[in-house]
Amino acid sequence: DTGVSQDPRHKITKRGQNVTFRCDPISEHNRLYWYRQTLGQGPEFLTYFQNEAQLEKSRLLSDRFSAERPKGSFSTLEIQRTEQGDSAMYLCASNRLRTGRGNTEAFFGQGTRLTVV
Amino acid sequence: GQQVMQIPQYQHVQEGEDFTTYCNSSTTLSNIQWYKQRPGGHPVFLIQLVKSGEVKKQKRLTFQFGEAKKNSSLHITATQTTDVGTYFCAGGARMNTGFQKLVFGTGTRLLVSP
Repeated sequence: DTGVSQDPRHKITKRGQNVTFRCDPISEHNRLYWYRQTLGQGPEFLTYFQNEAQLEKSRLLSDRFSAERPKGSFSTLEIQRTEQGDSAMYLCASNRLRTGRGNTEAFFGQGTRLTVV
Repeated sequence: GQQVMQIPQYQHVQEGEDFTTYCNSSTTLSNIQWYKQRPGGHPVFLIQLVKSGEVKKQKRLTFQFGEAKKNSSLHITATQTTDVGTYFCAGGARMNTGFQKLVFGTGTRLLVSP
């Protein structure tokens, strides 16, 4: 399967614990995005990487959140000291930048559903 | 910040009826993409519109980008039960950094009864 894969699919954690999610994008895609989606809402942009560089970060992303893409391939999103309000679906997407032609379609992974109890 | 609103939030139609969702951005967009998300699934890309006034068709689906590049619509002719899901528009907004962020709309949930 050459789609975007995310791990784990589901995570239940106690408030105050740290969690880490992984995203493996489509191999030839140089752009990787993290979004958060709560029930009944559209995906909210969190952060974006072009290759290994984190170029944009939403103000929604507090200092408890950190994301990395160390080799420009897979990415991790870590949430420290989780709070109940962090409960959501965390979606990863990837695409290619075509010079002069802007964004191509974004391919989403299945998401990681986080429940903080 | 930029906001992308969609109306209606929810629509329930009988199979065979038409359906339209409207997308409005608070700022001018570089482009607009449309996605469909089935219940329990992830967003799946449908189409991208780039030019002012552009109209594209995919079988029973017709997508339109407004002249001012601030609004868009998706029209489904003769809905089928397989059209059930939430339809999101996503506007491409160029940031100062040059990055083009996709800002998702609030979504329209479509339910089709047989």
